[in-house]
Amino acid sequence: DTGVSQDPRHKITKRGQNVTFRCDPISEHNRLYWYRQTLGQGPEFLTYFQNEAQLEKSRLLSDRFSAERPKGSFSTLEIQRTEQGDSAMYLCASSLRTSGYYTGELFFGEGSRLTVL
Amino acid sequence: TQLLEQSPQFLSIQEGENLTVYCNSSSVFSSLQWYRQEPGEGPVLLVTVVTGGEVKKLKRLTFQFGDARKDSSLHITAAQPGDTGLYLCAGRESGANNLFFGTGTRLTVIP
Repeated sequence: DTGVSQDPRHKITKRGQNVTFRCDPISEHNRLYWYRQTLGQGPEFLTYFQNEAQLEKSRLLSDRFSAERPKGSFSTLEIQRTEQGDSAMYLCASSLRTSGYYTGELFFGEGSRLTVL
Repeated sequence: TQLLEQSPQFLSIQEGENLTVYCNSSSVFSSLQWYRQEPGEGPVLLVTVVTGGEVKKLKRLTFQFGDARKDSSLHITAAQPGDTGLYLCAGRESGANNLFFGTGTRLTVIP
């Protein structure tokens, strides 16, 4: 297993276009998180899944954003009608939550950098 | 809105110097983590602290969780150029499943 992978690593698009990012978590991890990070800032929480269920969404996640994890494995984050303010690094992370002790460690991918022109 | 404020925001020091980074919040956290992020990569976990007053050491790095579990500090002794990066604290509130990150401290260690 090579860890969390994200695709594409870089995406340049024009304002108003739709974009989709994919995240493949570590295979046995049941939790998957999406964060957004702008230059020099800490990651901002967007949403997370436990298996296929989307359990929490941030107020930052406007109705132009939608995330899915249809089979509890990979996840997609789609942004519709992109705006220049959407330009950021979109980070995916996964973790394993069991009934026992939970370390809470998140394993991050390398991110997908979006530039909206 | 950021729940966790880090200071300083930027820090540039000479190799061999000591430094402390602070992470403060008005919220109480059940656990707090420190991550380090290098350019073009995702954050990587350094440590998790869960008990108020807890101190953990990782080689030249010392992490402390405040008694009230609202703040934390990271102290680096004899900094090395390899310590250069963005240091992020991240807190998890009691009963919450998401992790909120701090504003970050960008450290540069000059050889």
